[in-house]
Amino acid sequence: DVKVTQSSRYLVKRTGEKVFLECVQDMDHENMFWYRQDPGLGLRLIYFSYDVKMKEKGDIPEGYSVSREKKERFSLILESASTNQTSMYLCASSSPRDSNYGYTFGSGTRLTVV
Amino acid sequence: RKEVEQDPGPFNVPEGATVAFNCTYSNSASQSFFWYRQDCRKEPKLLMSVYSSGNEDGRFTAQLNRASQYISLLIRDSKLSDSATYLCVVNEEYNFNKFYFGSGTKLNVKP
Repeated sequence: DVKVTQSSRYLVKRTGEKVFLECVQDMDHENMFWYRQDPGLGLRLIYFSYDVKMKEKGDIPEGYSVSREKKERFSLILESASTNQTSMYLCASSSPRDSNYGYTFGSGTRLTVV
Repeated sequence: RKEVEQDPGPFNVPEGATVAFNCTYSNSASQSFFWYRQDCRKEPKLLMSVYSSGNEDGRFTAQLNRASQYISLLIRDSKLSDSATYLCVVNEEYNFNKFYFGSGTKLNVKP
């Protein structure tokens, strides 16, 4: 069964901490994405990557950075966590080789910044 | 202006009912269209792709109207297990497979 795995399901961090969210996929997908989901706002794209060491800003990149050193792993970094970054974070992957180009999501990380 | 707009609902329907959701998108150059289903506190999962000719998968029918820039999802004979949030998704950048998500329409199917 193909999978996108996010390292933590629930995370509580303090304001100002540096936070790493890890995502690993085993489908040899080229594209990987980080979204955050908030009530009433839906999913908003933070960053995406379409190849190793490549990254592109999404719609809300401020306060975040990413790293893609290996094809299967895409990390989201909160340089200095703030309370407005409390959210559900979803990682996804996809490949243009898939017939329907759909995303496969990880199960999400619910981050609380206190 | 949002790229993808959906009525947030909730739609409260009895079991066995037929229910339809619409979704509008702003970019006429959009390439691909999907419906995702998201259960409470779970990740979104692909329900079905939406093809230009329309497509059906069991009780679910999806249609695309490019002229009016909307897609629809019809659910027939609703089941309790259909209760979820349904997300409309549009792909605008063919090469990079970058999707835009609607905020979702919540469906509650009641006994």
